[in-house]
Amino acid sequence: QSALTQPASVSGSPGQSITISCTGTSSDVGGYNYVSWYQQHPGKAPKLMIYDVSNRPSGVSNRFSGSKSGNTASLTISGLQAEDEADYYCSSYTSSSTLEFGGGTKLTVL
Amino acid sequence: EVQLVESGGGLVKPGGSLRLSCAASGFTFSSYSMNWVRQAPGKGLEWVSSISSSSSYIYYADSVKGRFTISRDNAKNSLYLQMNSLRAEDTAVYYCAREGHGDHGAFDIWGQGTMVTVSS
Repeated sequence: QSALTQPASVSGSPGQSITISCTGTSSDVGGYNYVSWYQQHPGKAPKLMIYDVSNRPSGVSNRFSGSKSGNTASLTISGLQAEDEADYYCSSYTSSSTLEFGGGTKLTVL
Repeated sequence: EVQLVESGGGLVKPGGSLRLSCAASGFTFSSYSMNWVRQAPGKGLEWVSSISSSSSYIYYADSVKGRFTISRDNAKNSLYLQMNSLRAEDTAVYYCAREGHGDHGAFDIWGQGTMVTVSS
């Protein structure tokens, strides 16, 4: 069982927006602004999409955005595209100076 | 080109040992904290260990503490993971990853991964 809770799956149609949640505790998500989001296509290494809750690395589409409220962080993808279909993982720094990942969310573009 | 290349994976018996390596190129390796992250077949990502740029700070997941040792050689631009007392549940693809934005878990560069299989 993962320390951070994500929905197992979400889906949306091209052009729509979807949001993936990531729920932790005050010892991780709620205690620090160090939540990251990763996209992983089958057989590939993960790719950093969001860091420090809402920052986008250079080269990542502005269709991807992140936010946090209390112990729950969220990743929103707007203008859904076929290539967005992938697994998405959140991660958070913890009070033990370790890192935790969520269980992952499979995004299906209908 | 900024790149991380893992090696050293393979098949090992339960209780055995294995040493993974990660060769870095295209960036100033000694300036970044580095991590190992693993992914069991069909499962999610699991953080394993981190080491600061000068090796001053080292952390492990509870699942590997006391069995795995992370280290680095900045002169050789290399990261290592010594894995002892291996168990079936350690079977996974092991990735090395660079913390590119501070030292709080933003992994901006990943290797392609190396497979470790623990089985008799």
